[in-house]
Amino acid sequence: LAKTTQPISMDSYEGQEVNITCSHNNIATNDYITWYQQFPSQGPRFIIQGYKTKVTNEVASLFIPADRKSSTLSLPRVSLSDTAVYYCLVGAFNQGGKLIFGQGTELSVKP
Amino acid sequence: GAVVSQHPSWVICKSGTSVKIECRSLDFQATTMFWYRQFPKQSLMLMATSNEGSKATYEQGVEKDKFLINHASLTLSTLTVTSAHPEDSSFYICSARDIRVSNQPQHFGDGTRLSIL
Repeated sequence: LAKTTQPISMDSYEGQEVNITCSHNNIATNDYITWYQQFPSQGPRFIIQGYKTKVTNEVASLFIPADRKSSTLSLPRVSLSDTAVYYCLVGAFNQGGKLIFGQGTELSVKP
Repeated sequence: GAVVSQHPSWVICKSGTSVKIECRSLDFQATTMFWYRQFPKQSLMLMATSNEGSKATYEQGVEKDKFLINHASLTLSTLTVTSAHPEDSSFYICSARDIRVSNQPQHFGDGTRLSIL
């Protein structure tokens, strides 16, 4: 299973765009990249998933370069409620979907 | 969207007792569910993979006799912490994926806070 590396923490202010980059140098051909958000005392919540290029949904965008060795989660115009831990994971569905969590990025949004 | 429910959300019990935690997929079927444990200020640690109709697969270092997993149906997996001790106090989280839809991400329950006195 590919190992991921993310910044331990990031600070931002309300209304700013936040970009969190994740490195996954050993990503395999069948692996997808998935990002989750976790608030204290809650289970992780799915944000976005992609395989290559760019994916966008109503809450975030995911940018994946051609070599797929990294990915960037982009959160537009963050608010205080976006303060949470963000996890980047890679895994293949044909392996039963097993996911190994890294340390995650603790995002703190300030007023 | 896919919903995974855990019960109970919080349990306090005396040392030596056994505690059962349920994980249900409410609107989809899941042949495989996963159990994680999370200590304060730490990431989630995968404990085991729960397989419907067969034995669970445990991660290295996780005692299978301590953490009993049963996956009797496509919508329910249970984790029983046997003879619980204070060091078993933690936040336990399950996840599942809809097998009917290709490339579906895992969805997580809201966790169970276990406190052993």
